[in-house]
Amino acid sequence: ETGVTQTPRHLVMGMTNKKSLKCEQHLGHNAMYWYKQSAKKPLELMFVYSLEERVENNSVPSRFSPECPNSSHLFLHLHTLQPEDSALYLCASSHSGTGHRYEQYFGPGTRLTVT
Amino acid sequence: AQKITQTQPGMFVQEKEAVTLDCTYDTSDPSYGLFWYKQPSSGEMIFLIYQGSYDQQNATEGRYSLNFQKARKSANLVISASQLGDSAMYFCAMREGNNAGGTSYGKLTFGQGTILTVHP
Repeated sequence: ETGVTQTPRHLVMGMTNKKSLKCEQHLGHNAMYWYKQSAKKPLELMFVYSLEERVENNSVPSRFSPECPNSSHLFLHLHTLQPEDSALYLCASSHSGTGHRYEQYFGPGTRLTVT
Repeated sequence: AQKITQTQPGMFVQEKEAVTLDCTYDTSDPSYGLFWYKQPSSGEMIFLIYQGSYDQQNATEGRYSLNFQKARKSANLVISASQLGDSAMYFCAMREGNNAGGTSYGKLTFGQGTILTVHP
């Protein structure tokens, strides 16, 4: 596989469920990102991992829990979500370190519906 | 705080014509990067073009070019010879450098997006 992959592509879950979103990048990058895209809103950055260390957490509720076991994989663990959490969740990766443009390459997203 | 503004919620263009999508930004950082992404209905964000704040020339990538006017803080995307497959949402984004533990990574701030529709 090439680029950035995300699974599942679609997910419907109840408010009491626990599920995980998976992201994998095959680009040799060492920074990974989670974004939330709600209807008619700009992309919202949720978390950033650089060299497997979480470097940014933008006031995201604790019902979202990220995990980055290595530079190629990123997870978003979900539990007791709310209907307003329904959105497209996008994963991205980029180089980190000086001298880079830092363009991010995105996966296809997971369309999450919370019922 | 940085801010990206895309004032055109929707744009229409005839196939084979050129179209300009507007983007203005606000930053006090002397070093920054500007990006354009395309998001088709499938949802994936596709990187199109990059302009660095110190770049002397306007960026070009195939049919995409960036009209970079630094003094006006604008970075408009020009798509030449529009194709039906260009119909999508287009986002302008700006990168600020961050340092955490001695490394840098690219935090992007996105605009609201412009929906482009190409008519046959």
